[in-house]
Amino acid sequence: KAGVTQTPRYLIKTRGQQVTLSCSPISGHRSVSWYQQTPGQGLQFLFEYFSETQRNKGNFPGRFSGRQFSNSRSEMNVSTLELGDSALYLCASSRDRGYNEQFFGPGTRLTVL
Amino acid sequence: SQKIEQNSEALNIQEGKTATLTCNYTNYSPAYLQWYRQDPGRGPVFLLLIRENEKEKRKERLKVTFDTTLKQSLFHITASQPADSATYLCALDEGGGADGLTFGKGTHLIIQP
Repeated sequence: KAGVTQTPRYLIKTRGQQVTLSCSPISGHRSVSWYQQTPGQGLQFLFEYFSETQRNKGNFPGRFSGRQFSNSRSEMNVSTLELGDSALYLCASSRDRGYNEQFFGPGTRLTVL
Repeated sequence: SQKIEQNSEALNIQEGKTATLTCNYTNYSPAYLQWYRQDPGRGPVFLLLIRENEKEKRKERLKVTFDTTLKQSLFHITASQPADSATYLCALDEGGGADGLTFGKGTHLIIQP
């Protein structure tokens, strides 16, 4: 069974731009969560999607948004990029709602210049 | 405020010995606790989950304990090998899911041959 895939793997943007990251969960997994990982803050929860609906959201500004499609694939969008948005963005899938045994993708390394 | 603490300094262990990692938490009432392994440049990999009503869980050379009175989990790797070198993260979920999975910052484990 294929694992969680994320595209692109690396991205360089400049301040003020927007970016869209994509995540394909493991086949049969219906929950997708997004996390931001930085050296200073570690892994921080962004949001969870299940059945095309955002179920939970972490403490991030409204510039961070996402969506989930009927095939469970998910995208996250960051608008008006700031230097502090440079991070590894990780997507994780699980079979059902919640966070039991999450399967993480390799991440997208975003650099904002 | 809620806090999860893991040994921030690297843990050096000689090959063949047992490595013990600690995860302490305050102001949480977790329904369960998870341990993940993360290698450089990769997403975390799920290792074990232990529920609040379980004292101990084992999987091959791994053992996790969960003491809700002490608010602490211990993660043991027996007969450690250099391939076990990685960063190990503990993660909590209070069960409501509103705040997602909250991760500690991880302990970097180095197994020396």
